[in-house]
Amino acid sequence: AQSVTQLGSHVSVSEGALVLLRCNYSSSVPPYLFWYVQYPNQGLQLLLKYTTGATLVKGINGFEAEFKKSETSFHLTKPSAHMSDAAEYFCAVSEGPSDGGSYIPTFGRGTSLIVHP
Amino acid sequence: GAVVSQHPSWVICKSGTSVKIECRSLDFQATTMFWYRQFPKQSLMLMATSNEGSKATYEQGVEKDKFLINHASLTLSTLTVTSAHPEDSSFYICSARQQGANGYTFGSGTRLTVV
Repeated sequence: AQSVTQLGSHVSVSEGALVLLRCNYSSSVPPYLFWYVQYPNQGLQLLLKYTTGATLVKGINGFEAEFKKSETSFHLTKPSAHMSDAAEYFCAVSEGPSDGGSYIPTFGRGTSLIVHP
Repeated sequence: GAVVSQHPSWVICKSGTSVKIECRSLDFQATTMFWYRQFPKQSLMLMATSNEGSKATYEQGVEKDKFLINHASLTLSTLTVTSAHPEDSSFYICSARQQGANGYTFGSGTRLTVV
C-alpha cells in the first residue's frame, strides 16, 4: 500500500522568493516519486521524477526535488518563483521498479501555489 | 516524447444523454490506459484501468455500467458516460504509460458539464 501527504493545500510566495512544496509518502517497497503540475482546465504535466540513483532530481522550469528516504519525503523546490509558476502541484508515488509491477501512481491532494507580484 | 491526446476538451450535455471521451496515444502504443476523475480543488481519483482487448478494471465504488470503457486498439481508449446526470459533471483525465517508461503521460482533460 502507498500513500502521499502534501502539507498545505495552499502556498503563497512573492515573485522571486523561494518555493517549497512539501510531500511525504509511505510505501512498502522502494518507491517511484513524481511531481506534476496542472494549470487550470488542463491535464497534468510531469515536472520531475525519482526512480533510482541520484536523490536530487532536477526537472523542468527550474524545479528540483530531493528524495530523502530517512524522512520519507520528496519536497519540491525552486530558488526563485515566477508568476507563471502559479498552478496546482501534485506529488505522486508508485511502486517501482519492475516494469511488470503495479505501476499505478497514488496522488496527493495537491498544493495550490500562489505567486504575488 | 510521448503524447496523449484527449478529446473533447469541453462538453456540455443534457441530463439523460451519453457522452463519449476519447484518449489517444499519438506516438506510442499503450496496452494500458487509465481514467481519472477530478473534483474541484481535489486530487485525481482513479476510476478504472483500461486494458487493450479485454475488459476494464474498475476501482471500488465506480459504476461500470455508467462509465463504459472500451480499449479497442493499442492507441485508443474511450470513456462513455451513459445517462449522464448533473452529479457526473467533473473533469475527466486519461493517462498512459509507454512501455519501458518510468512515468505516465496525461491527456489534457475533458471538462464535462451536465445540465
